[in-house]
Amino acid sequence: QKEVEQDPGPLSVPEGAIVSLNCTYSNSAFQYFMWYRQYSRKGPELLMYTYSSGNKEDGRFTAQVDKSSKYISLFIRDSQPSDSATYLCATRMGYSTLTFGKGTMLLVSP
Amino acid sequence: GAGVSQSPSNKVTEKGKDVELRCDPISGHTALYWYRQSLGQGLEFLIYFQGNSAPDKSGLPSDRFSAERTGGSVSTLTIQRTQQEDSAVYLCASSLSGAISYEQYFGPGTRLTVT
Repeated sequence: QKEVEQDPGPLSVPEGAIVSLNCTYSNSAFQYFMWYRQYSRKGPELLMYTYSSGNKEDGRFTAQVDKSSKYISLFIRDSQPSDSATYLCATRMGYSTLTFGKGTMLLVSP
Repeated sequence: GAGVSQSPSNKVTEKGKDVELRCDPISGHTALYWYRQSLGQGLEFLIYFQGNSAPDKSGLPSDRFSAERTGGSVSTLTIQRTQQEDSAVYLCASSLSGAISYEQYFGPGTRLTVT
């Protein structure tokens, strides 16, 4: 079992929909949780970063972490065609390197 | 300012040849990371440099892979005797330090195809 599991999709939604992207992880020692967005032929860029269980909001994006169930979510409200990309969840322990999920491809149609 | 740059952007090589991939991190960033992204495998850590410390090579998949970082800046990832399974996008990232609070900035990657 990979340390971070993520459904590869693709996930297709109409413009304006609420999108829910999810990951599960197996190592309870992971302390930090991140979501990256990657456009085609580009490197990943950091979207959201959280440390503890709970919610963190930034504009249309909300990151949610439930450490008890080892579940990470990213919600996108009022999705736009420009949100079409691959979304990667990532986790980290202290000074260790990032462990990534495989990424979920999101397609938002106008 | 300038972001992380990588060269070449694309590389096609024959099986058995050696290749060198280059990464120019953001100026002043002491931490540098190499990752590999392949279809179906996601993003995998390869090697991590922090300042003058010995690199963390724990992610290198075989002894055909090596990397160096000269003068604490530019890094080169070398793959010897390339195999078809080495075909992937190789991504470099840098951050101000290796501490968790510092964001990793990724370059656009080098797409390697081994024929």
